[in-house]
Amino acid sequence: IAGITQAPTSQILAAGRRMTLRCTQDMRHNAMYWYRQDLGLGLRLIHYSNTAGTTGKGEVPDGYSVSRANTDDFPLTLASAVPSQTSVYFCASSDVEQGATGELFFGEGSRLTVL
Amino acid sequence: GQNIDQPTEMTATEGAIVQINCTYQTSGFNGLFWYQQHAGEAPTFLSYNVLDGLEEKGRFSSFLSRSKGYSYLLLKELQMKDSASYLCAVMDSNYQLIWGAGTKLIIKP
Repeated sequence: IAGITQAPTSQILAAGRRMTLRCTQDMRHNAMYWYRQDLGLGLRLIHYSNTAGTTGKGEVPDGYSVSRANTDDFPLTLASAVPSQTSVYFCASSDVEQGATGELFFGEGSRLTVL
Repeated sequence: GQNIDQPTEMTATEGAIVQINCTYQTSGFNGLFWYQQHAGEAPTFLSYNVLDGLEEKGRFSSFLSRSKGYSYLLLKELQMKDSASYLCAVMDSNYQLIWGAGTKLIIKP
């Protein structure tokens, strides 16, 4: 089934550890995004990529890095995790070339707990 | 600053109609989206409005007034499976999405 796959689904991590959340899509979408979702807050954009080889900072980029080596993969790395990064992380993609609505397709989310 | 306002929680009865409002103040406007998110799951696309008026899609309709910075999502013939959070999001002049915190809709039998 076409779509977006995130891994891991859930992870408990000690503070100070490095962690990479993986995201792969098979829809050949140009644009990909990483959001975090916290209770009582809207989805907040961490980083985005409009096309392979380019990335940009979103609303809350500090403590996170991304890379976009190819169209399909968009990993998110926490270099040194802190408890405030405890959240649910969603990867998403959109087909901006069709330009139509910019509808986002989301992965199932990665629940990260930093202790 | 940019902000999206929507009620935190609403309760409705199975079979009834409910209207979820969303007001926005953003730097420019390139469309408004509604997404549905069941607990523990990913958001899924419901509707998109870029021109004023009503867009109908089955039991769900979405309305937009750009001059008032206002939208609503109308759900008819409510079913228990409609219990979810409904997220309003606006695309600003930089084509970035600004998200509301979501409205948790509780359906009672």
